[in-house]
Amino acid sequence: DTEVTQTPKHLVMGMTNKKSLKCEQHMGHRAMYWYKQKAKKPPELMFVYSYEKLSINESVPSRFSPECPNSSLLNLHLHALQPEDSALYLCASSQDVIGGGAHFGDGTRLSIL
Amino acid sequence: AQKVTQAQTEISVVEKEDVTLDCVYETRDTTYYLFWYKQPPSGELVFLIRRNSFDEQNEISGRYSWNFQKSTSSFNFTITASQVVDSAVYFCALTETGFQKLVFGTGTRLLVSP
Repeated sequence: DTEVTQTPKHLVMGMTNKKSLKCEQHMGHRAMYWYKQKAKKPPELMFVYSYEKLSINESVPSRFSPECPNSSLLNLHLHALQPEDSALYLCASSQDVIGGGAHFGDGTRLSIL
Repeated sequence: AQKVTQAQTEISVVEKEDVTLDCVYETRDTTYYLFWYKQPPSGELVFLIRRNSFDEQNEISGRYSWNFQKSTSSFNFTITASQVVDSAVYFCALTETGFQKLVFGTGTRLLVSP
C-alpha cells in the first residue's frame, strides 16, 4: 500500500468534460508534485507545490489547473483536454523540498475520448 | 542543463543471475542528488535510494547495491541473485539547483525469467 492516495484510479472523459484528480498524503510532507507519464516514457514533472504554494509550473497548458487546498491535499482540475493528454498522472510528496526521495501514488490512468 | 542517460533499454536475465543497470548523468552543479526508482507493471513508482553529490560511498541494501563514481558521472545499480519479482522498469533520476525538479532517465526494463 502506498502512503500517497490518488483517486480515481482510472478516468475516461470526453474532450468537453470537466473532471478533477485528487491526491492525499498524511505523512506531514510539505512538498507535493504532479507528474505525467506517457506509455513507455519516463515521468515528466508538471507542477510542484511547496508549503501549499505553487513553486514550479513546467509550462503546462492551462487546461490543467492545479490546486493545493491544504498541506495534505493536491488536486488537478482538468478541462477541455485533448486525446494526447491521455497518460498516467502521478502524484508525489516529499518531506523536504528536495524533489527526489518522493513517495509516489499509484497514479490515475486517464483516457480522453 | 541536467541529463540522465540509461543506455540499456531492456535487459533479460535468468533468476539468480546478477545484473547491473547503468546510469550516466550530466550536470553543471557541484551539489546535486541522484536517485533510483522501480516501476513494476502495476504502475506505481517505488523509491529505492537517494544519494547526494558529496557522498560517494557505495551502498548495499539486501540484494541491492549502488556504485556512485563522480569521476565517471555514473551511478550504477546492481541486483544480486535476481528474482522474478525484480522484473520492472528501473529509472535513474537527478535533481540539481533548487532540487525540486526531478529529471528521469529513459528507464531500463528488466525481465527476470524463472
